[in-house]
Amino acid sequence: DADVTQTPRNRITKTGKRIMLECSQTKGHDRMYWYRQDPGLGLRLIYYSFDVKDINKGEISDGYSVSRQAQAKFSLSLESAIPNQTALYFCATSDLIGKQYFGPGTRLTVT
Amino acid sequence: RKEVEQDPGPFNVPEGATVAFNCTYSNSASQSFFWYRQDCRKEPKLLMSVYSSGNEDGRFTAQLNRASQYISLLIRDSKLSDSATYLCVVPEGGFQKLVFGTGTRLLVSP
Repeated sequence: DADVTQTPRNRITKTGKRIMLECSQTKGHDRMYWYRQDPGLGLRLIYYSFDVKDINKGEISDGYSVSRQAQAKFSLSLESAIPNQTALYFCATSDLIGKQYFGPGTRLTVT
Repeated sequence: RKEVEQDPGPFNVPEGATVAFNCTYSNSASQSFFWYRQDCRKEPKLLMSVYSSGNEDGRFTAQLNRASQYISLLIRDSKLSDSATYLCVVPEGGFQKLVFGTGTRLLVSP
């Protein structure tokens, strides 16, 4: 079984809709991250969390929010989706020496 | 200057060739680095960690040049399965976050 899972794997939604992407991990790591990837721009950090009470904004947090429900669960929400949020979204966990382990990604399309 | 810069490629090489990629970084305080591999539409996966001067793992060798602030990845005896995008990654904030390069694409042909 995969150590980091994401749901859904693919989603098409309309502008203005609220959408939640979910991430679960069985690696026992405290640190979790959300990234988006766009062609030519690489991976950009949206939010990260070091434990359930610690949430930090990344470089592109505007338009997104997160919830750390438990050590194993970290959700990303788009409160009102817009077309330029169309991207590939990855969740990741990290050990204490910085090695990150990624989920399979969610391909989100906002029409 | 971008924090992490890579030549996007693509590097087109025949099977069996040796190929090298460079990555430059701007934070002179960085002590260690990672190379990740990403297949098309898949998640990045850790390929190698680079501490001190370098690291070798089979056909893959990573080297670090602190004076010039670049790291390199050398792949010997390229295989078709090596075709992927290689991401150079620099930790910051004491491993709290990773800064990713945009990647170098490698295409290995028969």
